[in-house]
Amino acid sequence: EPEVTQTPSHQVTQMGQEVILRCVPISNHLYFYWYRQILGQKVEFLVSFYNNEISEKSEIFDDQFSVERPDGSNFTLKIRSTKLEDSAMYFCASSEGQGNTIYFGEGSWLTVV
Amino acid sequence: AQKITQTQPGMFVQEKEAVTLDCTYDTSDPSYGLFWYKQPSSGEMIFLIYQGSYDQQNATEGRYSLNFQKARKSANLVISASQLGDSAMYFCAMREGGRGSQGNLIFGKGTKLSVKP
Repeated sequence: EPEVTQTPSHQVTQMGQEVILRCVPISNHLYFYWYRQILGQKVEFLVSFYNNEISEKSEIFDDQFSVERPDGSNFTLKIRSTKLEDSAMYFCASSEGQGNTIYFGEGSWLTVV
Repeated sequence: AQKITQTQPGMFVQEKEAVTLDCTYDTSDPSYGLFWYKQPSSGEMIFLIYQGSYDQQNATEGRYSLNFQKARKSANLVISASQLGDSAMYFCAMREGGRGSQGNLIFGKGTKLSVKP
């Protein structure tokens, strides 16, 4: 069964460093998302991406964050200068179209020290 | 105001019994979708079941069913014949809007289900 894949599964980084989290959405999906879950808290929406541009973003998604689809398969989330409070599980997700089920990847644990 | 409310932080159920996980939602949009996801201790987010606001029948997927009561704005998840592997966090989520919606999901705080042998 097709699935969303994410790398790395876990990354530890020093405060102030740049981090890139990578995702390969399901191949025929057109809508891509990043969500975040701080330990013990609920899942929060960060950004949605369609047709090579951001379609919606939350207040969390400030200038430190950016997304890119550098080729036909990868979808990346970049955090330019990480802060301690960026420590969380980051989920990539994709859906085939508007109104379709959103499938999540296994997540990337980011620990900022 | 909370858009998705899960009032049960934790639930216990005996193996092979059925369990209902509560979810209420708040929206003024006539078109919306309701989702349930399972998050085991390993962390991944697994899609379980979906209910559209215009769906006439309650959704079912194997041992999972959704008790959708539109007037009460509730979308409770029913797991029948619980198994030890059902022990996990369960999240209810809503997507507002029909055509034109970009699919942003709003999640509840989750319910931790523990299945006892």
